[in-house]
Amino acid sequence: IAGITQAPTSQILAAGRRMTLRCTQDMRHNAMYWYRQDLGLGLRLIHYSNTAGTTGKGEVPDGYSVSRANTDDFPLTLASAVPSQTSVYFCASSGGGRGYTFGSGTRLTVV
Amino acid sequence: GENVEQHPSTLSVQEGDSAVIKCTYSDSASNYFPWYKQELGKRPQLIIDIRSNVGEKKDQRIAVTLNKTAKHFSLHITETQPEDSAVYFCAATYSGGGADGLTFGKGTHLIIQP
Repeated sequence: IAGITQAPTSQILAAGRRMTLRCTQDMRHNAMYWYRQDLGLGLRLIHYSNTAGTTGKGEVPDGYSVSRANTDDFPLTLASAVPSQTSVYFCASSGGGRGYTFGSGTRLTVV
Repeated sequence: GENVEQHPSTLSVQEGDSAVIKCTYSDSASNYFPWYKQELGKRPQLIIDIRSNVGEKKDQRIAVTLNKTAKHFSLHITETQPEDSAVYFCAATYSGGGADGLTFGKGTHLIIQP
């Protein structure tokens, strides 16, 4: 692993199903974030974590939950997916004053 | 919370000309202002950033200026090339203590005309 890794790359999900998007970083960054990107709306923050064991809500947290059991992993869970959650999801991390590093994204389609 | 406005939404320039993208922010506590470039289907990539203790920063053909009093910052690209075509995002945050995430502008689609 080099940097920040997201899985899966893409997914088609039936409405009402539960889904966890995975994010792992090997840079020992304390802070991690989940954004969703929608055309015309830019990148909007869903949840963030300052350090292992703590999480916080961003601009659009409804319908999503996160956990931060350790420094490296920051999974995002959709408990019961809805079509409005169709989006591209980016995980990011920051630390050491060198800005935010983004993962390659997960393209999620809820049908 | 922070609100970032970005203009224009689309910018078309001739190859070799300069491009300027402007952003304003609302929270005077914000002190970190990065710019990201995103090519189609790819992740956002940091291209330059500036902190509130400086007014300008330059890296080859790219420069960023910051006016804290007016709460606006701009990206300048000189001698534009075809590979500069992409969507550019500005962002702002308070960097210090808790990290509560970047607030992004809605993006500028930069088109370099040959």
